[in-house]
Amino acid sequence: EVQLVESGGGLVQPGRSLKLSCAASGFTFSNYGMAWVRQAPTKGLEWVATISYDGSSTYYRDSVKGRFTISRDNAKSTLYLQMDSLRSEDTATYYCARTGILRVYPYYFDYWGQGVMVTVSS
Amino acid sequence: DIQMTQSPSLLSASVGDRVTLNCKASQNIYKNLAWYQQKLGEAPKLLIYNANSLQTGIPSRFSGSGSGTDFTLTISSLQPEDVATYFCQQYYSGNTFGAGTKLELK
Repeated sequence: EVQLVESGGGLVQPGRSLKLSCAASGFTFSNYGMAWVRQAPTKGLEWVATISYDGSSTYYRDSVKGRFTISRDNAKSTLYLQMDSLRSEDTATYYCARTGILRVYPYYFDYWGQGVMVTVSS
Repeated sequence: DIQMTQSPSLLSASVGDRVTLNCKASQNIYKNLAWYQQKLGEAPKLLIYNANSLQTGIPSRFSGSGSGTDFTLTISSLQPEDVATYFCQQYYSGNTFGAGTKLELK
């Protein structure tokens, strides 16, 4: 059974940093692209970033470029999102999601974690 | 950027009804479209990909159709457990989601 479990969320002040993690199990993590998708309270879904199976390619939405960094450790089957210079508009639930094998971006997401809440506020 | 417009934003239907949800892309996305179901307090779940392919484990009462700019998600016979918000997503150029259709029981 595919499982994705996020951690690392919380309350952080504007301008500060936070690092999210996503532990994967139930599939060969190193074969798949992975992504982060967020959802602001009572709002819709917004793609944030995608990384290829080996970490060699990364893709970001414009509003987080230069502030967020997606990375992965295939030996630990773990995905990360380093978030720097956080803004109030980054407040959201962040979901870890699996993408494809041969194609990772743009692409759909076939499995999702339960999400972790990030609140940016002073 | 490609914009995705879903209609209606709110839909009320009765158990057993045939339900149709719409999604329109601002430009041709061919069949690069997915549908997700999100129940209250839960993560989204993939229902349909490539516009009309049913994800493994999803009940056959769900179906998708369309290509180009106009797409439809159909629930052939609405069940109580189908109460949720449904999102479409294009993956032809970038990843963009629609604002969602909230489906409730009448």
